Parts: sequence; structure tokens; C-alpha cells
Amino acid sequence: EAGVTQFPSHSVIEKGQTVTLRCDPISGHDNLYWYRRVMGKEIKFLLHFVKESKQDESGMPNNRFLAERTGGTYSTLKVQPAELEDSGVYFCASSPTSSYNEQFFGPGTRLTVL
Amino acid sequence: AQKVTQAQTEISVVEKEDVTLDCVYETRDTTYYLFWYKQPPSGELVFLIRRNSFDEQNEISGRYSWNFQKSTSSFNFTITASQVVDSAVYFCALSEVPGTASKLTFGTGTRLQVTL
Repeated sequence: EAGVTQFPSHSVIEKGQTVTLRCDPISGHDNLYWYRRVMGKEIKFLLHFVKESKQDESGMPNNRFLAERTGGTYSTLKVQPAELEDSGVYFCASSPTSSYNEQFFGPGTRLTVL
Repeated sequence: AQKVTQAQTEISVVEKEDVTLDCVYETRDTTYYLFWYKQPPSGELVFLIRRNSFDEQNEISGRYSWNFQKSTSSFNFTITASQVVDSAVYFCALSEVPGTASKLTFGTGTRLQVTL
């Protein structure tokens, strides 16, 4: 069974540009999460989808971040316009409805904003 | 608010030594889950263990063991006879409302370096 996949693995952009990160969860997992780790700090929650609906988006830093999950399958996280402080590793995780919180993580996308 | 503290930023040990990674948490919830994840050099977070707040029994899995103490709000992780393959960043995490899907609150991680 394929795990959580994320694309791209690395992205280097300039301040002011737009970047879109993609996450493909494990097939059949209703729950999809986005997290971010800024260098040396803790991994912080961004938001949680249940199928195509946003269950909790309390961790989204500001309105420059837009997450979607069309059809309840893969998800995208767009940053527009990117700022220097957006640099970090963005993790996606998924879990089935009955998983009691065990989340399966992808390898992350390393975003560098210059 | 929930908080997880991993005071050890980096630990370096020689192979075959035992090592303990500390985790202290804060939560106002009476029911919660605690987790440990491993992040090897490949980058993905690998699930190691989940512990329910009602279950304070220590757990052992091979060379890994976990000591959960509610009295001190700690959930420490010990690797016995460490190996080079144990080199990774280890994260402790906490979630509320067991039985439903909810976000994880992570600590800052402890980087473990095991050398020959």
C-alpha cells in the first residue's frame, strides 16, 4: 500500500512568488492534515480536512495560505505571495476515521523563500 | 493550551550505550494521547507508539521502552543498546479527545546521533 506522498520534495522561490504544494493521502483515509516545521522549532499544526471539508483551520498563519481538498482526495496548499518566514518543511499526514489519532506522515516538502 | 517540551536538543552516544529522550507535556484535558515519532534522514515521520492517558503501564518493544508518568507529566523514551540506525530526530506529541481525529501538538524534537 502506498504511503502519503508529497510533491515537490523541494521548492525554492523568491519572495512574492506563489507556490503550490500537493499531498496525496493514503487511499481511503478521510482525515488529512497539514503541518509545518520552521527550522529548529516544533512541528506546528496548520489545518485538518475531513474528506473535502475543513474541520479545523486554527493553525493557518494568515490569509496568504489557502488549502483545498477537492473531492476529498488529494490536497493542495498554496502560499501567495510567499514571504521569507514561510520557509520550512511542510508535512502532510492522513488517517482513517477509526484510527484513534495515529497519523501517517509524508516525507514533507522543503520550502525555501529567498 | 497544550504544550510539549523536549528539553534535549541534541544527544550524542556511542553505539551500544543506552539513551533516554525526555518529554514533558502540559494539557488541561483529562483524556489525551501521547505519541513518539521518529524522523530518519529520509524525512518522513515514522510512528513509534501511542499511549492513552488512562494507561500508565510502561511499554517495551524490542530495544525501545517508554515510561509514562502522569504525576510528573512525562513520557520518556529509552533506547537500549543503541545502534547507528537509531540516529534520527525524535518527536514527542500530544493530542486531545481520544477516539476522534484531532491535531497533534509536537515538541521541538531531539536529534540523536549514534556513532561507532
